Amino acid sequence: QVHLQESGPGLVKPSETLSLICIVSGQSINDIFQWAWIRQPPGKGLEWIGSVFRGGGTFDNASLRGRVAISVETSKNQFSLRLTSVTAADTAVYYCARGGVAAGLRNVFDYWGQGTRVTVSS
Amino acid sequence: IVLTQSPGTLSLSPGERAALSCRASQSISSGQLAWYQQKPGRAPRLLIFGTSTRATGIPDRFSGSGSRTDFSLTISRLEPDDFAVYYCQHYGSLPLSFGGGTKVEIK
Repeated sequence: QVHLQESGPGLVKPSETLSLICIVSGQSINDIFQWAWIRQPPGKGLEWIGSVFRGGGTFDNASLRGRVAISVETSKNQFSLRLTSVTAADTAVYYCARGGVAAGLRNVFDYWGQGTRVTVSS
Repeated sequence: IVLTQSPGTLSLSPGERAALSCRASQSISSGQLAWYQQKPGRAPRLLIFGTSTRATGIPDRFSGSGSRTDFSLTISRLEPDDFAVYYCQHYGSLPLSFGGGTKVEIK
């Protein structure tokens, strides 16, 4: 059974760096083509933050203006998100998610973590 | 690709039919559009991919259709468990994006 669990601080100060990890169980992280971070501000919709691909390549949402870094730690079967220079606009529930297994469904998210709420405030 | 969902809120009674729309700012190739359901305090759940293929375990009262820039999700007969927010997502190319969501609420 595939399970994803986000972990990280629930409160981050403005201008600091938000750091989250997603621990994957029931699945080798190397077996999947794409792992992603998605967030949801309070009362709003879903926003794709970015993804890390098998082999370590990444792609992130240009709207975040280069503040995103996503990486994989294969030995720990987890991947991480760093978002720099945060502001109140980065307050959201952050989800990690798995891309689909089939070749044509790698950008479809079939397993999600429960989400972790991060508040940016001094 | 910008996805615009309508209506923002749909107020219906159990047993009624729900029709949700998702319009894309440019043509989505090969019908690479998915739908997700989200309940309060929960992560989204994949409902449909490839415009019309139901994910594992999704009941057949959920159906998807459409092509190019116009897509829809239909719930044939609403059950109490179906009242939630629904999001569409295109996945044909990066960057990925979601629609703003349609809330289906009990009338």
